[in-house]
Amino acid sequence: AQKVTQAQTEISVVEKEDVTLDCVYETRDTTYYLFWYKQPPSGELVFLIRRNSFDEQNEISGRYSWNFQKSTSSFNFTITASQVVDSAVYFCALSGRNQGGKLIFGQGTELSVKP
Amino acid sequence: DADVTQTPRNRITKTGKRIMLECSQTKGHDRMYWYRQDPGLGLRLIYYSFDVKDINKGEISDGYSVSRQAQAKFSLSLESAIPNQTALYFCATSDLHTGAPGEPQHFGDGTRLSIL
Repeated sequence: AQKVTQAQTEISVVEKEDVTLDCVYETRDTTYYLFWYKQPPSGELVFLIRRNSFDEQNEISGRYSWNFQKSTSSFNFTITASQVVDSAVYFCALSGRNQGGKLIFGQGTELSVKP
Repeated sequence: DADVTQTPRNRITKTGKRIMLECSQTKGHDRMYWYRQDPGLGLRLIYYSFDVKDINKGEISDGYSVSRQAQAKFSLSLESAIPNQTALYFCATSDLHTGAPGEPQHFGDGTRLSIL
């Protein structure tokens, strides 16, 4: 069975603070893909990143960075110097190679960045 | 224009009514999906389709049906709506032919459905 857990339901920070959103996953697939999506208050889902299970390099994109660790089955997301526009619900998701592209989502973490 | 278009964007209806949510895409993708989002539960898969003749149940298909009228169109129906089907519904697409099984899904803007 596949499962994604985002234990942090809500996080509140003050602008310019760094914040890390946790994601822990379970899968029996040896090849799988991990994703992060952002859902701003307007409601749409915005794709942020995809990581393959065989590529454990961390990734940085501007203020965003992702730490993938297979040893702990985690794929954490860090926002550096947070801004009010980062306020959103963030979803971590998992897809196994043989799952036909189906995504298993975590429960989401609502991030509130206050000025 | 949006690549994945959902109609309607909002709908309020009464218990027992038949509802159809429509999704169309201009991305030329083979795979289409329907999810529902509930607070604290994330998104859960209702149905998915790999092509016009291939439709599959997802995690929570009871009470729903779908129709893949063409490669570009995938409709979700609630035959007799009930209040616990009140949720935000998303359609998504992904490309079978990129060669990458982990191709990210592309989502529509969602349909907010309220059943009274």
